[in-house]
Amino acid sequence: SQELEQSPQSLIVQEGKNLTINCTSSKTLYGLYWYKQKYGEGLIFLMMLQKGGEEKSHEKITAKLDEKKQQSSLHITASQPSHAGIYLCGADLGSGNTPLVFGKGTRLSVIA
Amino acid sequence: GAVVSQHPSWVICKSGTSVKIECRSLDFQATTMFWYRQFPKQSLMLMATSNEGSKATYEQGVEKDKFLINHASLTLSTLTVTSAHPEDSSFYICSARDIHRGNTGELFFGEGSRLTVL
Repeated sequence: SQELEQSPQSLIVQEGKNLTINCTSSKTLYGLYWYKQKYGEGLIFLMMLQKGGEEKSHEKITAKLDEKKQQSSLHITASQPSHAGIYLCGADLGSGNTPLVFGKGTRLSVIA
Repeated sequence: GAVVSQHPSWVICKSGTSVKIECRSLDFQATTMFWYRQFPKQSLMLMATSNEGSKATYEQGVEKDKFLINHASLTLSTLTVTSAHPEDSSFYICSARDIHRGNTGELFFGEGSRLTVL
């Protein structure tokens, strides 16, 4: 969707390295969801951010939402092969009961 | 545990047959549910919005007569792919919002249904 830009489209990192995935909206976000997906499988919920400046962490994954609520980043520290997969950001662009708009995804490969 | 359940997880059917996929909200009522489709190596694309007690609204390019949506109760929406063809083979996933969670409600996704049409 042009409303939501996700980058990079693909990423290959060496095990143990850090990486960042970005998600930028042309509109103010009411919420931003991060998911991980393995090919052909369902979505694994990672984190949801709703407040400007909010930051959440789970294990080695940290997600942030900027103060303007238009940009979010997902940072993985000391990447492991288990982090490999497709990462999707989903934007909540409405205040009502509206669907998420998804970025195109980032395909992450972690090599030993 | 899952708060939105989708069934079946996968289905294989012959060309020309119809397939029904169910999406249930397990511990909250959902007046609205969303149906997405995901083709290989692509992101999730919204197909339609299912509204309890009224007609679904479809995104541009989605054939409403081919993808029948019924939202007969506050916890169940069904997507029927009619006269399925191989090009309908895809990953279909539903979502629903629990409006009582978070500031604007929290969206939950079903497990997804992989449809293969032979």
